[in-house]
Amino acid sequence: GDSVTQMEGPVTLSEEAFLTINCTYTATGYPSLFWYVQYPGEGLQLLLKATKADDKGSNKGFEATYRKETTSFHLEKGSVQVSDSAVYFCALRYSSASKIIFGSGTRLSIRP
Amino acid sequence: GAGVSQSPRYKVAKRGQDVALRCDPISGHVSLFWYQQALGQGPEFLTYFQNEAQLDKSGLPSDRFFAERPEGSVSTLKIQRTQQEDSAVYLCASSPSEEQYFGPGTRLTVT
Repeated sequence: GDSVTQMEGPVTLSEEAFLTINCTYTATGYPSLFWYVQYPGEGLQLLLKATKADDKGSNKGFEATYRKETTSFHLEKGSVQVSDSAVYFCALRYSSASKIIFGSGTRLSIRP
Repeated sequence: GAGVSQSPRYKVAKRGQDVALRCDPISGHVSLFWYQQALGQGPEFLTYFQNEAQLDKSGLPSDRFFAERPEGSVSTLKIQRTQQEDSAVYLCASSPSEEQYFGPGTRLTVT
């Protein structure tokens, strides 16, 4: 079945460091791919998305590119801030009427 | 504007008790989803409504779980005879078409 695998955390970085959180997926079709973020004490929020191969999603300095050949959707940011500390979830979905399949989440902590 | 709200935010139940979790979606949102998030895991799909119709309930883990949305707005997730393994955060999400907007969740602890 369809699934999402992401790197285990926690990931701890210093402020202004480069961030990569790896995500790979297994899919029977051609899903859209997402990164969601859960800040402490808040609900899940959509961070970025890509709907087809080679699309790049971007938001708040974060980027991820839909790579069909490697079935990956790695999250990157060039210079992280303390405010980026949160749990990040990679996810896939086939249509607006279908469920989202989430990875297990990666906790990111940024040291000042 | 108001987002998705859920109540209660925290619920402690003794094993064997029945619980009811409420979701108030964003007004006008046609689609409504329930997810279960165990500690340290990603959310897992439970069920999906389009208006009042429950179109997918394939994720409900057992017949102790029941969800309804009788007027196509507020939804209730009911768990009968709660077990310890039901302890989790229950998330509701509503959607007008594409994006799903998540509520803050209800943390259920079964003792």
